[in-house]
Amino acid sequence: ELKVEQNPLFLSMQEGKNYTIYCNYSTTSDRLYWYRQDPGKSLESLFVLLSNGAVKQEGRLMASLDTKARLSTLHITAAVHDLSATYFCAVGRETSGSRLTFGEGTQLTVNP
Amino acid sequence: DGGITQSPKYLFRKEGQNVTLSCEQNLNHDAMYWYRQDPGQGLRLIYYSQIVNDFQKGDIAEGYSVSREKKESFPLTVTSAQKNPTAFYLCASAGEFNQPQHFGDGTRLSIL
Repeated sequence: ELKVEQNPLFLSMQEGKNYTIYCNYSTTSDRLYWYRQDPGKSLESLFVLLSNGAVKQEGRLMASLDTKARLSTLHITAAVHDLSATYFCAVGRETSGSRLTFGEGTQLTVNP
Repeated sequence: DGGITQSPKYLFRKEGQNVTLSCEQNLNHDAMYWYRQDPGQGLRLIYYSQIVNDFQKGDIAEGYSVSREKKESFPLTVTSAQKNPTAFYLCASAGEFNQPQHFGDGTRLSIL
């Protein structure tokens, strides 16, 4: 059974600071996704990571994937209040078809 | 604009009642998914369908039923057998295998 763990689950940080959210998964995976969810809203796709060493960047967010360590990171650079949201990673395996397993989410609050 | 439409946005269920949540997509995606999200938690897969007239149980299918008679539509019925239906329900669809899932705006279901 594929398990996906994120940490931390709650993160409060000041504007301008850097931080990293971690996503560990328990079995071999062939694809990993990061999503953002604002309170009471739906999920928005941020990044798709498909191979070992993949790195994607968009604005102040950068995601990377290490398939050997079964670890993905979401790095936040110089945080701003607008980044406050819950961030989910989701992992898929070829043997599971198109279904994904989601982590519990990291609730990020960026304080002025 | 292409997207996923979920309705209604809010739904109330009486004891012993079945209710149906609608999910329609015009993205021409083959795969569709239903997730349940409880407060402060991640997404759990209820059912998914990778092609018309076929669907599979996810991790928490008990008390739910689905149909996939048309490519565009994947309705979810919450039956009276689901004793704790209060949650946020999200529908998603996906096209090519590695592409991210696209989500609807969700339906919030409560018990009267």
